[in-house]
Amino acid sequence: GAVVSQHPSWVICKSGTSVKIECRSLDFQATTMFWYRQFPKQSLMLMATSNEGSKATYEQGVEKDKFLINHASLTLSTLTVTSAHPEDSSFYICSARGPAGETQYFGPGTRLLVL
Amino acid sequence: AQTVTQSQPEMSVQEAETVTLSCTYDTSESDYYLFWYKQPPSRQMILVIRQEAYKQQNATENRFSVNFQKAAKSFSLKISDSQLGDAAMYFCAYISQGGSEKLVFGKGTKLTVNP
Repeated sequence: GAVVSQHPSWVICKSGTSVKIECRSLDFQATTMFWYRQFPKQSLMLMATSNEGSKATYEQGVEKDKFLINHASLTLSTLTVTSAHPEDSSFYICSARGPAGETQYFGPGTRLLVL
Repeated sequence: AQTVTQSQPEMSVQEAETVTLSCTYDTSESDYYLFWYKQPPSRQMILVIRQEAYKQQNATENRFSVNFQKAAKSFSLKISDSQLGDAAMYFCAYISQGGSEKLVFGKGTKLTVNP
């Protein structure tokens, strides 16, 4: 139980285009989901907290107009990287707060490469 | 603010042997949860084990067990009968109960398992 999927797993795009990443909780409802970014050989950096039916809460230094988050249902949150640039290339991971409460379950991640 | 420290950037162990990964944390709260997550080369974050601070009994999951010392704010992970598949980055994480929903991660320990 507590499975989280993420799509796509890999995406390559041109600079200036937008990319949407989906995060789904497959076997539970998640009122709260989280989006992280991970640079090589580093820990996870929280970007934003996504709450179903309300606006996301962004961490300091994260541009909300660049990283649009929508949590329209209890099983789906999306992250859209708008006008992507090469510096946005990274590994993006989502997580969902599981049925037990405090435990977060992670998706498999999305590798984004902006050319 | 809470912090999590993993003092061992890298560790190695022989297959079938036992290894212990260290984690200390700093908090003024009394109710919280601690986790160990594993991140293999696929980069999928996998929950290894979870400990509630109010429980005195150390959590165990098959070959994985923790030594939770609340007064010392220490939360080490013991892996018994190490297997090649245990090779990964291991992250220690903290979350408060009923407070901030944010997971606080350590910087990780890279575990190598030698055949």
